[in-house]
Amino acid sequence: DIQMTQSPSSLSASVGDKVTITCRASPGIRKDLGWYQQKPGKAPKCLIYAASSLQSGVPSRFSGSGSGTEFTLTISSLQPDDFATYYCLQHNSYPRTFGQGTKVEIK
Amino acid sequence: QVQLQESGPGLVKPSGTLSLTCAVSGGSISSSKWWSWVRQPPGKGLEWIGEIYHSGSTNYNPSLKSRVTISVDKPRNQFALKLSSVTAADTAVYYCASYFYGDYGDFFDYWGQGTLVTVSS
Repeated sequence: DIQMTQSPSSLSASVGDKVTITCRASPGIRKDLGWYQQKPGKAPKCLIYAASSLQSGVPSRFSGSGSGTEFTLTISSLQPDDFATYYCLQHNSYPRTFGQGTKVEIK
Repeated sequence: QVQLQESGPGLVKPSGTLSLTCAVSGGSISSSKWWSWVRQPPGKGLEWIGEIYHSGSTNYNPSLKSRVTISVDKPRNQFALKLSSVTAADTAVYYCASYFYGDYGDFFDYWGQGTLVTVSS
């Protein structure tokens, strides 16, 4: 299985802050990675696919980058609606594997 | 707009079989998507269980493969999950979802609301 190591597991930030979340893949997965946002009691929602493509309807403050083994999700200016848990997901090979999640909390 | 809705028992006895159905509305299960199951134990992360194409082709997580069966019912426009020999470790919210393969990338595009299944006597 491809191992996805996501960091940090949690972070505290203020509205307006820039936030960066990282996923490392072992072995490499080209650009076969998506980022998902999950709010309590809700299903995940795709924000980014193919490592850097913004899903339709997702605010432009979200961006993704990386390829191979290291990937980053960046929120350029954190908004109140962004407090949630974020997961990366690799789809390079089966089984699909998620990162452990990053909980973004209010500082 | 595709909508997915899980249904099934919320309580299953240990060593029993967990059975869930996902009804698809607003779209055809015979479309070019893979119909998937993902679970999330309380307070924990997401785990991919497996998927099925309308042709009946399946892919399963090896960690669950010996216990999992995913099937499709085209006339009813739904698909199903069966997980046998369950233990307390299988207690989770179970989501059904559709996986879209696009020319520029692929992703989970639609999700059900999730259903909590508790394994307990």
